[in-house]
Amino acid sequence: DSGVTQTPKHLITATGQRVTLRCSPRSGDLSVYWYQQSLDQGLQFLIQYYNGEERAKGNILERFSAQQFPDLHSELNLSSLELGDSALYFCASSVALASYNEQFFGPGTRLTVL
Amino acid sequence: GENVEQHPSTLSVQEGDSAVIKCTYSDSASNYFPWYKQELGKGPQLIIDIRSNVGEKKDQRIAVTLNKTAKHFSLHITETQPEDSAVYFCAASLGVDQFYFGTGTSLTVIP
Repeated sequence: DSGVTQTPKHLITATGQRVTLRCSPRSGDLSVYWYQQSLDQGLQFLIQYYNGEERAKGNILERFSAQQFPDLHSELNLSSLELGDSALYFCASSVALASYNEQFFGPGTRLTVL
Repeated sequence: GENVEQHPSTLSVQEGDSAVIKCTYSDSASNYFPWYKQELGKGPQLIIDIRSNVGEKKDQRIAVTLNKTAKHFSLHITETQPEDSAVYFCAASLGVDQFYFGTGTSLTVIP
């Protein structure tokens, strides 16, 4: 158990809908990262937050947004969902900003868009 | 941005044999190279990492080597065991930047 929790574990929804994925980092970790894992593209970095502020952006679509709250939990919002958004979404946390620090991954949320 | 290529995509070895997974990166400024192991149904977990000022690092049966000139790094697992079966990801980073992950290697250790 990495100490990172993600909810829900599974999510099934329809095209055009909006969903929110939630992540609670390990106690004491200030950085939160979001990744998308699909079968053909491996692990794709989406976005990073550090202590409530956005710090780095990867291949995140404009339909997707995220935020980190004062209690350091984070939410990833996916809107106008398309079939291709079906994937595993991982949240990871680390103690500090630099990527030298180990990232601890949660168990993931499996999103299925029908 | 950085581009990380990983080979092979699948690898099967007999229990007790060695397994080698290779990655190349494109940005010579990358200076941190972690390896993650992902077991079925779980998130990736760091197993070993190396910084660019080191050529080799070993932790029991796992070792990582880095060739900065050629811009490639490799994961070596010796005396493989069935519990080593998993997907392995390499990654590269500039240290204050995102991880750029390889596409993964599915390792199967045959008892």
